[in-house]
Amino acid sequence: GENVEQHPSTLSVQEGDSAVIKCTYSDSASNYFPWYKQELGKGPQLIIDIRSNVGEKKDQRIAVTLNKTAKHFSLHITETQPEDSAVYFCAAKPQSGYSTLTFGKGTMLLVSP
Amino acid sequence: GAGVSQSPRYKVAKRGQDVALRCDPISGHVSLFWYQQALGQGPEFLTYFQNEAQLDKSGLPSDRFFAERPEGSVSTLKIQRTQQEDSAVYLCASSLGGTGAGNTIYFGEGSWLTVV
Repeated sequence: GENVEQHPSTLSVQEGDSAVIKCTYSDSASNYFPWYKQELGKGPQLIIDIRSNVGEKKDQRIAVTLNKTAKHFSLHITETQPEDSAVYFCAAKPQSGYSTLTFGKGTMLLVSP
Repeated sequence: GAGVSQSPRYKVAKRGQDVALRCDPISGHVSLFWYQQALGQGPEFLTYFQNEAQLDKSGLPSDRFFAERPEGSVSTLKIQRTQQEDSAVYLCASSLGGTGAGNTIYFGEGSWLTVV
């Protein structure tokens, strides 16, 4: 089955800095890669996703890049704000047949004012 | 409602008790998933329904765990004879279509289960 590794487990940045979170996956059949943000006491909220037919996607301060050859994808947050502080999860899902999301272990992002 | 709704939000059970966790998916969503999230970990898949059919229950950790979705809408996750290792957040998620890459999966707020 799919295995997703996520790094780093914690990331501390100053407000205004950029933050990068990296994930690798094992199943070459995976073609959908969402990122979720989870605040304390809440469920995961989708913030951006990318499908394997594109290499990069941007949404305001958030961008995701995908390298299918190397089987890794990354989340980039620019101009970080304290409200970006949360746990971020990457996930991967194969296309073939029935499949569901496999999550990484999460990255706790702390943005200091 | 607009999102996936779960109840109860918090449940404390004595070891050996049975618990039932309810999920109301987004209206019209065909697919429904249950995930288990231990403290400090990512969500782990438990089971998947497409309408009322349970197509995959490979993630259920033991036969004490049972899920149903009898009318293809609301789902219930039941845990019998709870044990301390069952303490976790149980997340329900739904998507409009099947499990293809074009279908975004939306999560509820979770049911926090503590077994004492």
